[in-house]
Amino acid sequence: AQSVSQHNHHVILSEAASLELGCNYSYGGTVNLFWYVQYPGQHLQLLLKYFSGDPLVKGIKGFEAEFIKSKFSFNLRKPSVQWSDTAEYFCAVIPYNNNDMRFGAGTRLTVKP
Amino acid sequence: DVKVTQSSRYLVKRTGEKVFLECVQDMDHENMFWYRQDPGLGLRLIYFSYDVKMKEKGDIPEGYSVSREKKERFSLILESASTNQTSMYLCASGTGDRFYEQYFGPGTRLTVT
Repeated sequence: AQSVSQHNHHVILSEAASLELGCNYSYGGTVNLFWYVQYPGQHLQLLLKYFSGDPLVKGIKGFEAEFIKSKFSFNLRKPSVQWSDTAEYFCAVIPYNNNDMRFGAGTRLTVKP
Repeated sequence: DVKVTQSSRYLVKRTGEKVFLECVQDMDHENMFWYRQDPGLGLRLIYFSYDVKMKEKGDIPEGYSVSREKKERFSLILESASTNQTSMYLCASGTGDRFYEQYFGPGTRLTVT
């Protein structure tokens, strides 16, 4: 069965540190890929998405993610985090022509001021 | 802006009660979804609907049913609530075939005592 793995449960960084959150999926075919973010007390919201084309996608608030097909990965990055990036981050995958969106378990990011 | 609203933010019910969670979206989206979110497990799909009166089981449909009588409204029903259904319930809506992304409501935190 298709699955999505996020390697880190909880990441703690200081402000201005660089961030990389890992996401790997197990589906072998064409996929659409997403990162969602949930700030404390707020809705889950879309951070960025990949459908096709340039494997390096840029999202809101300075986040980007790189799709590496050979590694089945879609890692999230930000060069310099801020305290306001403290949130939970979820990777999600939808296979092409399928309604079955799968989410990873989430990574909680804490940024210390 | 897409708006997805859920009838309650917090709900406390007793074991054995019938529970209704309501979700309404204002963007004429074809697809609507119910997830539960648990720590360390991420989001798991309970049911989704791609049209009025249509429904499909997700990963964890046991103990739940759904109703979609109107396009904008998708209800999740717990026929006889149990303590293991204590969770955060998220509703989402989306449009399109392959290229859809999901817009989430604020969630309902349900506690079953």
